[in-house]
Amino acid sequence: EPEVTQTPSHQVTQMGQEVILRCVPISNHLYFYWYRQILGQKVEFLVSFYNNEISEKSEIFDDQFSVERPDGSNFTLKIRSTKLEDSAMYFCASGRGAANVLTFGAGSRLTVL
Amino acid sequence: TQLLEQSPQFLSIQEGENLTVYCNSSSVFSSLQWYRQEPGEGPVLLVTVVTGGEVKKLKRLTFQFGDARKDSSLHITAAQPGDTGLYLCAGAFRGSTLGRLYFGRGTQLTVWP
Repeated sequence: EPEVTQTPSHQVTQMGQEVILRCVPISNHLYFYWYRQILGQKVEFLVSFYNNEISEKSEIFDDQFSVERPDGSNFTLKIRSTKLEDSAMYFCASGRGAANVLTFGAGSRLTVL
Repeated sequence: TQLLEQSPQFLSIQEGENLTVYCNSSSVFSSLQWYRQEPGEGPVLLVTVVTGGEVKKLKRLTFQFGDARKDSSLHITAAQPGDTGLYLCAGAFRGSTLGRLYFGRGTQLTVWP
């Protein structure tokens, strides 16, 4: 069964460092998303991406965050200068656009020290 | 901000018992999904409901969508230890960007043999 793959599975970084999280969405999907889950809290929407541009971003997705689809397969989330509160599980998801059905990756755990 | 409430937060039962998990909002859902999430993994889609009053069955799991599309329930019959996990409801609301889901806090189900 097709799946969304994410790398790295776990990254530890120092506060202030840049981090890039990578995702390979399902190949025939056109809609791409990043969500995050801080330990013990709800899964939260960060950003949606369609047709090579951001469709919507949440209030969490400030100027420190950016997304890119540099080629036909990868979808990346960059955090320019990480903060302690960025520590979370980051999930990439993709969909074909039907009834809000998304397929989530296994997540990348980011730990900011 | 759309609020989605899920209850109970924790459920600990014996094998063979039945259980129901609830998800509701004050706003109308355009669609609602139920996911299951294992530790260290991403949410895995169980079902999507779209039509008010809809009932879907997945083996021993029965999903209902309220007539007014403001609430949903997940009922598990004769629970088994393999059902142990975190169950999440996630809804999309009218006017939201496609794929922008609002998640509940989840119900951590433990089924004891």
